[in-house]
Amino acid sequence: DSGVTQTPKHLITATGQRVTLRCSPRSGDLSVYWYQQSLDQGLQFLIQYYNGEERAKGNILERFSAQQFPDLHSELNLSSLELGDSALYFCASSAGASGGRQETQYFGPGTRLLVL
Amino acid sequence: GQQVMQIPQYQHVQEGEDFTTYCNSSTTLSNIQWYKQRPGGHPVFLIQLVKSGEVKKQKRLTFQFGEAKKNSSLHITATQTTDVGTYFCAGPKGNEKLTFGTGTRLTIIP
Repeated sequence: DSGVTQTPKHLITATGQRVTLRCSPRSGDLSVYWYQQSLDQGLQFLIQYYNGEERAKGNILERFSAQQFPDLHSELNLSSLELGDSALYFCASSAGASGGRQETQYFGPGTRLLVL
Repeated sequence: GQQVMQIPQYQHVQEGEDFTTYCNSSTTLSNIQWYKQRPGGHPVFLIQLVKSGEVKKQKRLTFQFGEAKKNSSLHITATQTTDVGTYFCAGPKGNEKLTFGTGTRLTIIP
């Protein structure tokens, strides 16, 4: 158990819909990262938040957005969903802002999204 | 932009055989991390290498960081069924986020 929690575990929805994925980082961690992992694909970095502020952006679509709240939990919002958005979405956390220069990232169990 | 490639993409080995995955970056890395993702699971941190030419061992796993800090390898001696999974290397892009390699999926044949 990494200490990072994600809800829901599974999500099935239809094209055109909007969903929200939730992540709670490890206690004391200030950074939250979102990744997308499609079938047989690697981990695609989407976005990082540090202490409530956007820190780094990856290949995140304009239909996707995220935020980190004062209690440090984070939400990833996916809108106008398409079939190709079906994937595993991981959240990870780390203690500081550097995002990997010298820090370990702890991954949550993921949310499996299926768009029909 | 920076790319981190891993080879092979897939590897099937007989139980007891050795396994090696290689990670190559197009740019110099300040450090490299390795993660393991079991089937149906999430990535789990294994180790971080920082120094040029560094070698670290964890039981049957040996990790190396190249002299030029642009490549790395993970070698598993005498594989066991518990070694099944996908192994990712990851290096920081610029000053911030980790860039994950493409991963090597290891399958063990009992």
